Amino acid sequence: QKEVEQNSGPLSVPEGAIASLNCTYSDRVSQSFFWYRQYSGKSPELIMSIYSNGDKEDGRFTAQLNKASQYVSLLIRDSQPSDSATYLCAVSRAGNNRKLIWGLGTSLAVNP
Amino acid sequence: GAVVSQHPSWVICKSGTSVKIECRSLDFQATTMFWYRQFPKQSLMLMATSNEGSKATYEQGVEKDKFLINHASLTLSTLTVTSAHPEDSSFYICSAGPLQGKYEQYFGPGTRLTVT
Repeated sequence: QKEVEQNSGPLSVPEGAIASLNCTYSDRVSQSFFWYRQYSGKSPELIMSIYSNGDKEDGRFTAQLNKASQYVSLLIRDSQPSDSATYLCAVSRAGNNRKLIWGLGTSLAVNP
Repeated sequence: GAVVSQHPSWVICKSGTSVKIECRSLDFQATTMFWYRQFPKQSLMLMATSNEGSKATYEQGVEKDKFLINHASLTLSTLTVTSAHPEDSSFYICSAGPLQGKYEQYFGPGTRLTVT
């Protein structure tokens, strides 16, 4: 079992719809959770961080964390073609020299 | 805030030569800097973790004598690819973790290395 798992996709949604991206992790002591967006040929960009159970909203993005189920998700409302990218889930553990454990990413395509 | 720069953005070098890549955190001090490599259509691969003033910690399978990392200050880390070969051609990306952060990493724009 991979430490951080994501569906590779591609996930295809029409413009204006809600895109739902999911991530599960295996280590129960994980503490911090991040979503990064990576456009083709570019470096990753941090878009959301979440540290406690529940929802965290930032503009069109909502991150949801459920530590009991070891599950973190990202919702993108009113999806735009410019949201088309690979979304990477990353998880930290205490005492891991600040390393992040990365999922392989979910490719999202928003169709006009 | 949280800007990381990388230089150069792209470089072409001949086989057998060495290339140095700089990574700077511009508006924050970074406890830790990370170096990643990414091949086309593949996922990020962590190469090494470096802390200011300490030796870098390399991931399994990464040759420390080939990929030299220096982390001289809280805002600067360098990666030197020594005796580069065509198989070292890749996208090298650094990231930095803020001193007061919660383990988040901010990425530089990356350096595309082509070895001919």
